[in-house]
Amino acid sequence: AQSVTQPDIHITVSEGASLELRCNYSYGATPYLFWYVQSPGQGLQLLLKYFSGDTLVQGIKGFEAEFKRSQSSFNLRKPSVHWSDAAEYFCAVGAESSYKLIFGSGTRLLVRP
Amino acid sequence: DVKVTQSSRYLVKRTGEKVFLECVQDMDHENMFWYRQDPGLGLRLIYFSYDVKMKEKGDIPEGYSVSREKKERFSLILESASTNQTSMYLCASSETGNNARYGYTFGSGTRLTVV
Repeated sequence: AQSVTQPDIHITVSEGASLELRCNYSYGATPYLFWYVQSPGQGLQLLLKYFSGDTLVQGIKGFEAEFKRSQSSFNLRKPSVHWSDAAEYFCAVGAESSYKLIFGSGTRLLVRP
Repeated sequence: DVKVTQSSRYLVKRTGEKVFLECVQDMDHENMFWYRQDPGLGLRLIYFSYDVKMKEKGDIPEGYSVSREKKERFSLILESASTNQTSMYLCASSETGNNARYGYTFGSGTRLTVV
């Protein structure tokens, strides 16, 4: 069965610092991988996705993520965080022959001025 | 821009009431989903539908039902609301087919409080 682990519940970074949010998945074949962001009181917005090809994926708002099959990871990165990036971030995994995405429990990002 | 619209952002209902949460998408998607989101528990799938009048139970269907009479509309029904159904409810849709590669598009959520 598929599963997703986001080991960090909260992360605090200073504005302008770099960011890396961790995501590990469990799935036997090549997964479909996603990162979503949720601002307070809002729905989830897709940041980026991977399903084949180049393992470094560029997304919106200056985010990128790298698929590492050997580590079963899909970590999200941003070189310089802005105060507006404070939100909750969800990693998700999907599979061929499945309608459903499996979501991690989320990482809440706090940005210090 | 593609859209999933949830009819209410905030709802307050009394215990025992029948509650309808409505979701409409304009992307001609065949798959639609209802999740609830609670602190520390992440997103939990309640029900999903892969076609008109077709539905399948998710991980936590107890106390809920759904209706999909038209392709664009997917309704979540709380038959008799209880306080433990106080939560954020998120609707999502995805492109046609038994394949999750395209991900979901989410609505803005409905925060339901049952008193």
